[in-house]
Amino acid sequence: GAVVSQHPSRVICKSGTSVKIECRSLDFQATTMFWYRQFPKQSLMLMATSNEGSKATYEQGVEKDKFLINHASLTLSTLTVTSAHPEDSSFYICSARSAGGLRTGELFFGEGSRLTVL
Amino acid sequence: KQEVTQIPAALSVPEGENLVLNCSFTDSAIYNLQWFRQDPGKGLTSLLLIQSSQREQTSGRLNASLDKSSGRSTLYIAASQPGDSATYLCAVNDTGRRALTFGSGTRLQVQP
Repeated sequence: GAVVSQHPSRVICKSGTSVKIECRSLDFQATTMFWYRQFPKQSLMLMATSNEGSKATYEQGVEKDKFLINHASLTLSTLTVTSAHPEDSSFYICSARSAGGLRTGELFFGEGSRLTVL
Repeated sequence: KQEVTQIPAALSVPEGENLVLNCSFTDSAIYNLQWFRQDPGKGLTSLLLIQSSQREQTSGRLNASLDKSSGRSTLYIAASQPGDSATYLCAVNDTGRRALTFGSGTRLQVQP
């Protein structure tokens, strides 16, 4: 099946630093990727939609200047948490939408990135 | 705004039982519906995808049904095994929006 790779899987940083998380679709092209965050024992909440070659669309309440999204190519989207604080500690998951083939429209998810801000 | 609800929130069953997980959504204008499995601290594994024109999908011991008009889907797991223990998430893809809206999940524990 389609594979989405997310890196790093775990990151610990000091408060005030910035952290970049990469999301790659390994065997398909994804014009659209999505970034979610998940707090412990809660479901996934959509943060933003990342479109290749254009600006990301952010959900209400998500600060675009804090969570910078870049979709530089058809296989790579990055999420940068700027000036991270402890309340940003969470599990961040990306997903990519298959643009064609038998499973058109199906979304595939990365393994997630656990961010801990000290 | 689409809302997805999953019942029950948690379920514990002995090994070998057949079980049903329920999912309901408020807006029936969906593009498709996916069921996922999530192990603790891990990402999501897609189990089944049902397009809006379909009524069910099967994969091994899993069967998912979709009744779009009533806003419901069920995930049936036959002959449950301890390895099935995980959180099961239902998510709908709204027409035109293309992002998934997730339910809060059902945490399943299968006792050996």
